[in-house]
Amino acid sequence: QSALTQPASVSGSPGQSITISCTGTSSDVGSYNYVSWYQQHPGKAPKLMIYEVSNRPSGVPDRFSGSKSGNTASLTISGLQAEDEADYYCSSYTSRTTVFGGGTKLTVL
Amino acid sequence: QVQLVESGGGVVQPGRSLRLSCAASGFTFGSFSMHWVRQAPGKGLEWVAFISYDGSNKYYTDSVKGRFTISRDNSKNTLYVQMNSLSADDTGVYYCARGASVYSKSDWGNFDYWGQGTLVTVSS
Repeated sequence: QSALTQPASVSGSPGQSITISCTGTSSDVGSYNYVSWYQQHPGKAPKLMIYEVSNRPSGVPDRFSGSKSGNTASLTISGLQAEDEADYYCSSYTSRTTVFGGGTKLTVL
Repeated sequence: QVQLVESGGGVVQPGRSLRLSCAASGFTFGSFSMHWVRQAPGKGLEWVAFISYDGSNKYYTDSVKGRFTISRDNSKNTLYVQMNSLSADDTGVYYCARGASVYSKSDWGNFDYWGQGTLVTVSS
């Protein structure tokens, strides 16, 4: 299974909105609504931010939202805050395996 | 609160073996599937293995099939991965992550809780 495709980096100023894309294939993102997004700060474990395309776990701010169209999923962060600066990974379930994206480094300017 | 604590990492020579453990607490371990995920230094996340809540189903990424074995001891609330024939490509931080509850519609889960990771370095 090939990794899902994410932009290497995105940036935005505090208060702005950014969107990170995650492109897969008809075998993974396009076939299953089991797309998740994870936030990882340096030296820390990943943290689940969005699951099943658009659901937020308890405690995750509603500034984080997810969506999917065809083979591409997206994570949108509105009202950017300094603490949002981190690496973000998408993942998709596919046929008894999970494939991750290569990761996107979000810089808050 | 849910806690996952990995242990067993270290420096190992190529071709040797290592067993990692993941001690779980704060939830009914025996009712959840579990995963191992790894991250090479400076790289992204890679799913490694899955085990169902009762240990009856196991799945692996292609690169570790035949070398790694995932297992669990529900009486000890502990997840394991036995890693044999290690190579430099296996170097990285290994995380355990929680899968799905036995009551969920899917047994795979969303990796909703992660341990802090344990570093495995394969080097001569």
